[in-house]
Amino acid sequence: DVKVTQSSRYLVKRTGEKVFLECVQDMDHENMFWYRQDPGLGLRLIYFSYDVKMKEKGDIPEGYSVSREKKERFSLILESASTNQTSMYLCASSLMGSGHTDTQYFGPGTRLTVL
Amino acid sequence: AQTVTQSQPEMSVQEAETVTLSCTYDTSESDYYLFWYKQPPSRQMILVIRQEAYKQQNATENRFSVNFQKAAKSFSLKISDSQLGDAAMYFCAYWGQGAQKLVFGQGTRLTINP
Repeated sequence: DVKVTQSSRYLVKRTGEKVFLECVQDMDHENMFWYRQDPGLGLRLIYFSYDVKMKEKGDIPEGYSVSREKKERFSLILESASTNQTSMYLCASSLMGSGHTDTQYFGPGTRLTVL
Repeated sequence: AQTVTQSQPEMSVQEAETVTLSCTYDTSESDYYLFWYKQPPSRQMILVIRQEAYKQQNATENRFSVNFQKAAKSFSLKISDSQLGDAAMYFCAYWGQGAQKLVFGQGTRLTINP
């Protein structure tokens, strides 16, 4: 079975802090994604990556950056956390490369609270 | 841009009965994929069912089936013989060649009454 893990289930940070959310997948998947989930809005794509050191902006990249130094790891960075970034963050991965759709496998999520 | 709409924020059903969750989408593409994902409370989101737009036959996975109406841009999920383990948030999602990303609906929270 594909396993996608996220570094924390719950995280509390203060406004202005730099926050790192880590995601690791163990199935050699090409694609990795970061979403945020908010009630009534569903999942919105923040960033995604089709390969190591590649990144593409999603629908709501403002205030976020990402890093993919190794194929299995995709990090989401909040450079200066703000209260409107309080949310559930979901990481996902899928096997196939750019231009293909495939089942996305999700991590358990990180519920981030910014005070 | 493609949009996905789930008009039912919450639904409930008695155990063992059948429930249908609605989803509509807006697109100008002819070739695309549609998905239903399930997110149980405090558990990971998993794929329930997938439909290719070029296939006329509705997808089925055990107790889960879809009613895909391409002309109406409708993609509903039917759960037969509902079980307590079916309680979850259900998300409808669209993937097309244009955007090459999943576009999710707002979600429907399904409650199963024993």
